[in-house]
Amino acid sequence: GAGVSQSPRYKVAKRGQDVALRCDPISGHVSLFWYQQALGQGPEFLTYFQNEAQLDKSGLPSDRFFAERPEGSVSTLKIQRTQQEDSAVYLCASSSRTANTGELFFGEGSRLTVL
Amino acid sequence: AQRVTQPEKLLSVFKGAPVELKCNYSYSGSPELFWYVQYSRQRLQLLLRHISRESIKGFTADLNKGETSFHLKKPFAQEEDSAMYYCALSRSTDKLIFGTGTRLQVFP
Repeated sequence: GAGVSQSPRYKVAKRGQDVALRCDPISGHVSLFWYQQALGQGPEFLTYFQNEAQLDKSGLPSDRFFAERPEGSVSTLKIQRTQQEDSAVYLCASSSRTANTGELFFGEGSRLTVL
Repeated sequence: AQRVTQPEKLLSVFKGAPVELKCNYSYSGSPELFWYVQYSRQRLQLLLRHISRESIKGFTADLNKGETSFHLKKPFAQEEDSAMYYCALSRSTDKLIFGTGTRLQVFP
């Protein structure tokens, strides 16, 4: 596709439900990043993949958060037993480089609201 | 710890006025600094990088290591510059760390 694609664009979940957010990066991009953006805040790093390898997951806020990229392309961010504090926009970004030199291409984000 | 500070949440100017969006960082090594922009109803996108030393859409930013600043400047603001601006820092092989952003409003 022409850019990074994320789905769903909007998700409303009841507290305690599991959610899965999908990211389809630009074809051929090696690096994939997930960020969380709370209202009025800048994007906060969650995790980073280089191909299928998850090289950094230091930003995942709890063990309820899990990300995977099994074939080095599409990635899924899963949040188990959602809490109200998980409400945020989840941004996916990809890059053609193996090192993060800042040229990230972002998706439009998935807005999660936990009631 | 690495940190990016953008002290202004909102900056309002009239068309044709100069603009300076402030960004300060804390990092002990040699970081790479960036400005990202998000226009209304569009995705976040790279505006410029300090290593490129380029002017994009009339914007420039100079890295001042002594003051640990990377302020974004434009001599004459345009209405189409209205957007959310994020300063970001990266070590060469690490994730981007973003500031909280400054909303620029340019009035006609």
